[in-house]
Amino acid sequence: DGGITQSPKYLFRKEGQNVTLSCEQNLNHDAMYWYRQDPGQGLRLIYYSQIVNDFQKGDIAEGYSVSREKKESFPLTVTSAQKNPTAFYLCASSRTDRRNEKLFFGSGTQLSVL
Amino acid sequence: AQTVTQSQPEMSVQEAETVTLSCTYDTSESDYYLFWYKQPPSRQMILVIRQEAYKQQNATENRFSVNFQKAAKSFSLKISDSQLGDAAMYFCAYRSSFITQGGSEKLVFGKGTKLTVNP
Repeated sequence: DGGITQSPKYLFRKEGQNVTLSCEQNLNHDAMYWYRQDPGQGLRLIYYSQIVNDFQKGDIAEGYSVSREKKESFPLTVTSAQKNPTAFYLCASSRTDRRNEKLFFGSGTQLSVL
Repeated sequence: AQTVTQSQPEMSVQEAETVTLSCTYDTSESDYYLFWYKQPPSRQMILVIRQEAYKQQNATENRFSVNFQKAAKSFSLKISDSQLGDAAMYFCAYRSSFITQGGSEKLVFGKGTKLTVNP
């Protein structure tokens, strides 16, 4: 079955540590997105990519980095510069040729600071 | 930049009754898409319903329907015959239909409304 796989489901970060969240899709979608969800804040866009080897900052990109070397993969690195990383992270993908199409979401990664 | 506002942080409804969740948005665009997503306790995001701004007819999906008022920039979700499984966070979202510089691909979300269904 086609879908988006995020891993791990839970992740713990120590002070000063970089951690990477994985996102893989087999839907052949061009666009991929990373959202951060905090209680009472809804979903806020961190980064998105519309094509391989290209990506754009979203509304809260500071302290995060991404890469898009393959169409299927869009990993997110939470760097030590992100001072408040505890949140639920959602990866999503979509087609770019039909804009009324829904976003497909992964099941999320809960990141916590030790 | 587009913004989406959900003015009701929490709502409750009795099982089998009807509830309406509010959503307003701000945009200068004439064509766009609007969505309602549901996030149950599992935290999986599920598309409930979508509306294209150029269509005057309100979208309907079984017990879910919208009241789309383009001039008022309002997009409310009505849930009829509420069921216990409808309990979730509901997010309203906006997506531009034009490709412009600076992020037209993104989906802009409201902060959500937590719906409780009482038996």
